[in-house]
Amino acid sequence: QQQVKQSPQSLIVQKGGISIINCAYENTAFDYFPWYQQFPGKGPALLIAIRPDVSEKKEGRFTISFNKSAKQFSLHIMDSQPGDSATYFCAASNVWTTDSWGKLQFGAGTQVVVTP
Amino acid sequence: SAVISQKPSRDICQRGTSLTIQCQVDSQVTMMFWYRQQPGQSLTLIATANQGSEATYESGFVIDKFPISRPNLTFSTLTVSNMSPEDSSIYLCSVCKVNTEAFFGQGTRLTVV
Repeated sequence: QQQVKQSPQSLIVQKGGISIINCAYENTAFDYFPWYQQFPGKGPALLIAIRPDVSEKKEGRFTISFNKSAKQFSLHIMDSQPGDSATYFCAASNVWTTDSWGKLQFGAGTQVVVTP
Repeated sequence: SAVISQKPSRDICQRGTSLTIQCQVDSQVTMMFWYRQQPGQSLTLIATANQGSEATYESGFVIDKFPISRPNLTFSTLTVSNMSPEDSSIYLCSVCKVNTEAFFGQGTRLTVV
């Protein structure tokens, strides 16, 4: 049973457009929500992360929006570039419990293709 | 961040054999984990590698199939035992320090024939 649900499964966006990926969770104990970017043949690389005490976090062209009451969070990629073509995974964790620190529950992943 | 080296990067193995994957970190870390990523799928946590003690396995994973060692704060191994084609996956080492993010190695791409 997947604790973090991610959509869409795949996404095609034109260069310069906005990519939006959504995730939802059920476990209210989750309090850390990172996004990872994975290129073929590579391990996942941390892109951006958010804690539930803020509703939005922006780093360059990447923004996380977080809605605690709805238990949803999303990644927005602004001005999408062909180099952003990759698989994106949302994840969730409980960082305040010793047994769960660093243990990530991943969404299913979204394959993003940015066309020239 | 942390520099994580995994060896081997890929391997093709015969069914029934075992493969040991190594994970070396360039600095001491608090937590080390092993994940599996089946072809085209998401990542699933196999176990937490505990330094100096037995690993903690997630539901669906057992020590006899995936023995793990962690002799110190910078090194861990995962063995995939008695392999079958269903074990063909990418195996990933992940590390983090207290109050920091989790980082991943490049992965070991395993094909069982």
